[in-house]
Amino acid sequence: SQTIHQWPATLVQPVGSPLSLECTVEGTSNPNLYWYRQAAGRGLQLLFYSIGIDQISSEVPQNLSASRPQDRQFILSSKKLLLSDSGFYLCAWSISGDYEQYFGPGTRLTVT
Amino acid sequence: AQSVAQPEDQVNVAEGNPLTVKCTYSVSGNPYLFWYVQYPNRGLQFLLKYITGDNLVKGSYGFEAEFNKSQTSFHLKKPSALVSDSALYFCAVLNLGGYNKLIFGAGTRLAVHP
Repeated sequence: SQTIHQWPATLVQPVGSPLSLECTVEGTSNPNLYWYRQAAGRGLQLLFYSIGIDQISSEVPQNLSASRPQDRQFILSSKKLLLSDSGFYLCAWSISGDYEQYFGPGTRLTVT
Repeated sequence: AQSVAQPEDQVNVAEGNPLTVKCTYSVSGNPYLFWYVQYPNRGLQFLLKYITGDNLVKGSYGFEAEFNKSQTSFHLKKPSALVSDSALYFCAVLNLGGYNKLIFGAGTRLAVHP
């Protein structure tokens, strides 16, 4: 069966520090991968999606970037965090033709 | 452009009573619709989807949803609510632009009271 991991689970970082959040998927090949941010326990904002290694699309301009160095690994990064980067970050995967997405447990980021 | 709306920020229901969480959609063409649930500080869990076929879709944990094309709605229902159903519920529609991107509603918080 497929599983998706995210780490760390929680993170507190000062403004201006770098960020690296990791997401890995097991039990499937060539998944579509997604990064979302959820602010204030409400709606989800799609940040990035990827259909393959080194194939990343950004949905909104911002202080973040994403990379996919391996088929089942998706990394969210920032060189310098802003207060507004605080939130709950969710990674998800899907398979082409299967439509639904499956979410990881999330990372709670607090920028202080 | 595709979109979904969840008109209620919060729904309150007594345990044992039926519950409905509302969702309306706007798409060009046939909609692909989904419901997800999120418990506090957790990721979203897939409940059910409508792609084609029967208008009544059954999903996990006793939930079901009714697709109504004339009313462009996809309301989530459960005959008898449990306190453990208390969570944040999201309706979503598939973005027909590709890559299985989903467009989520703002979410509805369900509170089931003992």
